[in-house]
Amino acid sequence: DAGVTQSPTHLIKTRGQHVTLRCSPISGHKSVSWYQQVLGQGPQFIFQYYEKEERGRGNFPDRFSARQFPNYSSELNVNALLLGDSALYLCASSLDPGASEKLFFGSGTQLSVL
Amino acid sequence: KQEVTQIPAALSVPEGENLVLNCSFTDSAIYNLQWFRQDPGKGLTSLLLIQSSQREQTSGRLNASLDKSSGRSTLYIAASQPGDSATYLCAVRSDTGRRALTFGSGTRLQVQP
Repeated sequence: DAGVTQSPTHLIKTRGQHVTLRCSPISGHKSVSWYQQVLGQGPQFIFQYYEKEERGRGNFPDRFSARQFPNYSSELNVNALLLGDSALYLCASSLDPGASEKLFFGSGTQLSVL
Repeated sequence: KQEVTQIPAALSVPEGENLVLNCSFTDSAIYNLQWFRQDPGKGLTSLLLIQSSQREQTSGRLNASLDKSSGRSTLYIAASQPGDSATYLCAVRSDTGRRALTFGSGTRLQVQP
């Protein structure tokens, strides 16, 4: 079975541009979460979606938005990119958003903002 | 606000050694704690998940313990191998609020052949 898949794997953008990152969860998983990992730090929570509804949001500006589709895949959008948005963006899926659920992570999208 | 600290930040050991990685958290109201492995530039691989009612979990050469009241967890790796070289991350899921994972900054492990 395929794990969590993310695309693209690498992306280079310039300041002020917009970016869309994509995630397909493990088959049967209905909850998707997004995390940002800056070099040398642990991942930080951005969003959680379940059944196309936002279930949680971290301390990120409104430039960050996301959505989940009927097939449970998800997109993360970032507008007006800043140099500080350069990071590894990780998507994780689980069966449901329950606190006992183990998260399964994808390999991430490495975003570089120049 | 939950904060997670991992000590040491980096560790280099010869092959075959047994080692312990430490994780501490400030708010003991957690639902569970998860240990992950991350290879350079890659995603996270879940190693062990300990629910708040459990004291330890084992998988192969890995053993993780949880002392919820003192806000501590340890990951024990027996008979380390060069293939264990990676960054190990500890994450807690709080029992309050949005229940997202809060991660530590990780311990970068290098096992020398």
